[in-house]
Amino acid sequence: AQSVAQPEDQVNVAEGNPLTVKCTYSVSGNPYLFWYVQYPNRGLQFLLKYITGDNLVKGSYGFEAEFNKSQTSFHLKKPSALVSDSALYFCAVRGRIYNFNKFYFGSGTKLNVKP
Amino acid sequence: GAVVSQHPSRVICKSGTSVKIECRSLDFQATTMFWYRQFPKQSLMLMATSNEGSKATYEQGVEKDKFLINHASLTLSTLTVTSAHPEDSSFYICSARDSEGQGGETQYFGPGTRLLVL
Repeated sequence: AQSVAQPEDQVNVAEGNPLTVKCTYSVSGNPYLFWYVQYPNRGLQFLLKYITGDNLVKGSYGFEAEFNKSQTSFHLKKPSALVSDSALYFCAVRGRIYNFNKFYFGSGTKLNVKP
Repeated sequence: GAVVSQHPSRVICKSGTSVKIECRSLDFQATTMFWYRQFPKQSLMLMATSNEGSKATYEQGVEKDKFLINHASLTLSTLTVTSAHPEDSSFYICSARDSEGQGGETQYFGPGTRLLVL
């Protein structure tokens, strides 16, 4: 079965500190991995994705994520958080062969960055 | 990145009426579009996959006669909520997969439509 887990409903971090939003997955084969951000009453904005190659992926707004195959994780990171980063973050996976059209989303993690 | 628009952004209707939501890919062609539903403080639930020129594929538990999907062109998919009831009130989000180009694997999302059925 395909699934994505975001173990933290909420992450609180002070502005200027590093942040990590966790994601683990269970997908047959090697998946495509994505991070999206959602601001209130808005759709999802694409942040970054892992397809192949370097395990460290850099994306928009200074975010990056590291693919760890052995731990089946794809944690989102940023060296220095901004108050404007406060939003809802979704991890998603998509199969390469099976169910390649479907995205499986995590439950979302609310990031609160305090000044 | 690619842009997906939705119209309307917000709609309020009376119970029993039908509501149509449009999803457009503005600068790319999308043979496949997706419709999601999101409840407050919850993740996205895939409702159906919209295929240009063919019937939509619905997820288990989603009534195809209730949520009519039409994908008449490579840039437009519509979702019609028929005979809407208060329990249909939700945030509906569409996405489109870029069929060509470098972003072939990425889904691009519309801004969402907030439906409130009174």
